[in-house]
Amino acid sequence: AQKVTQAQTEISVVEKEDVTLDCVYETRDTTYYLFWYKQPPSGELVFLIRRNSFDEQNEISGRYSWNFQKSTSSFNFTITASQVVDSAVYFCALIYSGAGSYQLTFGKGTKLSVIP
Amino acid sequence: DTGVSQDPRHKITKRGQNVTFRCDPISEHNRLYWYRQTLGQGPEFLTYFQNEAQLEKSRLLSDRFSAERPKGSFSTLEIQRTEQGDSAMYLCASSRPFGERENHNEQFFGPGTRLTVL
Repeated sequence: AQKVTQAQTEISVVEKEDVTLDCVYETRDTTYYLFWYKQPPSGELVFLIRRNSFDEQNEISGRYSWNFQKSTSSFNFTITASQVVDSAVYFCALIYSGAGSYQLTFGKGTKLSVIP
Repeated sequence: DTGVSQDPRHKITKRGQNVTFRCDPISEHNRLYWYRQTLGQGPEFLTYFQNEAQLEKSRLLSDRFSAERPKGSFSTLEIQRTEQGDSAMYLCASSRPFGERENHNEQFFGPGTRLTVL
């Protein structure tokens, strides 16, 4: 069974502050992918990043960075110098990377509010 | 790629009525998924198609729910005798054939259909 836990239900920060969203996962699979999606108020899930379980390198994309630590089963997401447009619900998700995989398992999401 | 589209975007219905939603996946994607998202929760898997074959159904998909993908292109999700508990966002996603590219597991989501049952 797979499980994704996002312990932070809601976070509020003042614009330009840095913020880290936590994600802890459980899986028996040895190969899997981890994802982060953004869901703005419009409702559409926007893909942010995919990480293969073999690749523990951290990644930076502009103001976004991701810290994948297999030893602690965590895949945390940091927004540097937050902006109002970052306000959204962020979901962490997990999927087995093999041929039979089809089901993304999502966490409950973290609602981020960036206050101007 | 033209993205995943869903129709309608919003649906308000009375309890007991039947509703049908449509999803058009990205054209070269042979795999299609339906998820349901209730308020304050992450999306939950409902069902999965590979081409026209429905390969998996979640236990969340009660007998009142049926999904089809008759020609392996668009899909419909029908809910019969709707209940207030069916109120949710219904999300459709699609992905490439397995093995075609490294990112075959990446699911692209549509904008969703928000259902309100009064």
